[in-house]
Amino acid sequence: QLQLQESGPGLVKPSETLSLTCTVSGGSISSSSYYWGWIRQPPGKGLEWIGSIYYSGSTYYNPSLKSRVTISVDTSKNQFSLKLSSVTAADTAVYYCARHPVKVVYAIIGEFDYWGQGTLVTVSS
Amino acid sequence: DIQMTQSPSTLSASVGDRVTITCRASQSISSWLAWYQQKPGKAPKLLIYKASSLESGVPSRFSGSGSGTEFTLTISSLQPDDFATYYCQQYNSYSFTFGGGTKVEIK
Repeated sequence: QLQLQESGPGLVKPSETLSLTCTVSGGSISSSSYYWGWIRQPPGKGLEWIGSIYYSGSTYYNPSLKSRVTISVDTSKNQFSLKLSSVTAADTAVYYCARHPVKVVYAIIGEFDYWGQGTLVTVSS
Repeated sequence: DIQMTQSPSTLSASVGDRVTITCRASQSISSWLAWYQQKPGKAPKLLIYKASSLESGVPSRFSGSGSGTEFTLTISSLQPDDFATYYCQQYNSYSFTFGGGTKVEIK
């Protein structure tokens, strides 16, 4: 059974960089069939896609966050990571990692079918 | 960016009711739409993909329909376990966006 687990600091100071890692177990992050994504949810609010990465390192980012986001992959550790720079209180959220399949025939990256449990990151001094 | 608008934002219903949630896209997304259920403190759970395909293990009382810009999620007979928040999400482009959510409350 595929499992995703987010890890990283729960508290980050304003203007600093938020760093999270997602560890994948029960499956290989190097599969050609999937992209791996980050999604966040501010307390009491809706879901926002941050970005996604392929095992080769190919990335797509939310245009509204692109200038501050870096997503990387470490296939040897079966992990992918998120860095969000220059954080403010508005970046306080539960951060989820998730998997989404590549629909090769349609040239589409699909729905998020497996999710981690999420980790709350608070931005505060 | 493609904007997704859900309605209503809150819905009060009783066990056994038929419930319909609507999601509209700001431009055509073909059938590239998913629906998720989220309960408090939990990650979203995939219910429907490609507008009308039921994810494995999801009860058949959930169904999805639509294409282009207008989509619906229907729960044919609301069960106690279904009180939750529901989100739509488009994946037509390589920039994924979610609707604002619909909270289904007990009437």
